[in-house]
Amino acid sequence: SQTIHQWPATLVQPVGSPLSLECTVEGTSNPNLYWYRQAAGRGLQLLFYSVGIGQISSEVPQNLSASRPQDRQFILSSKKLLLSDSGFYLCAWRRGVGAFFGQGTRLTVV
Amino acid sequence: LAKTTQPISMDSYEGQEVNITCSHNNIATNDYITWYQQFPSQGPRFIIQGYKTKVTNEVASLFIPADRKSSTLSLPRVSLSDTAVYYCLVGALISSGSARQLTFGSGTQLTVLP
Repeated sequence: SQTIHQWPATLVQPVGSPLSLECTVEGTSNPNLYWYRQAAGRGLQLLFYSVGIGQISSEVPQNLSASRPQDRQFILSSKKLLLSDSGFYLCAWRRGVGAFFGQGTRLTVV
Repeated sequence: LAKTTQPISMDSYEGQEVNITCSHNNIATNDYITWYQQFPSQGPRFIIQGYKTKVTNEVASLFIPADRKSSTLSLPRVSLSDTAVYYCLVGALISSGSARQLTFGSGTQLTVLP
């Protein structure tokens, strides 16, 4: 079966610290992968998407970056977190005309 | 990309039917319409998907008029547990080697009252 895993579920990090969120997909090959951020009470903001290994498209310039080191792995990173990076981060896998989402990571920058 | 517009919020009472409409005036020929449900601190969950006319599954119905410039998600006899944010998404099948941004609208907060 096809599944998407995202971790950690929650994370509290100090301002200026680095960040690494990982997303992996199982049961499929060459998936299109996406990172979204959702601020409290807001909609889903598309951050990055990737069509394959090493291929990253950025939708919003900001303090974050993404990498696709393996076919089914998508990583969201930051070298120095800002308070404004707090939010709910979701990884999604494109399937057909829709998407399947991971359970998300609640990031709080303090 | 087809932009979507939904009401920001809706209130309903338990047992009522709820209809949430999404506008997508510049929908493309190859685009499908998908609806998602999201609870707090969880990822959006697929509800229903369609291309035209009417689609029904065990949880909802989706009505799409002939011009496809809008769609309506219908939830029969809602319960308190249906309180969530509902998103409509318009997108096409991925062609080989290409990508398509999946851009969600702001969603509709449905609150079901006792």
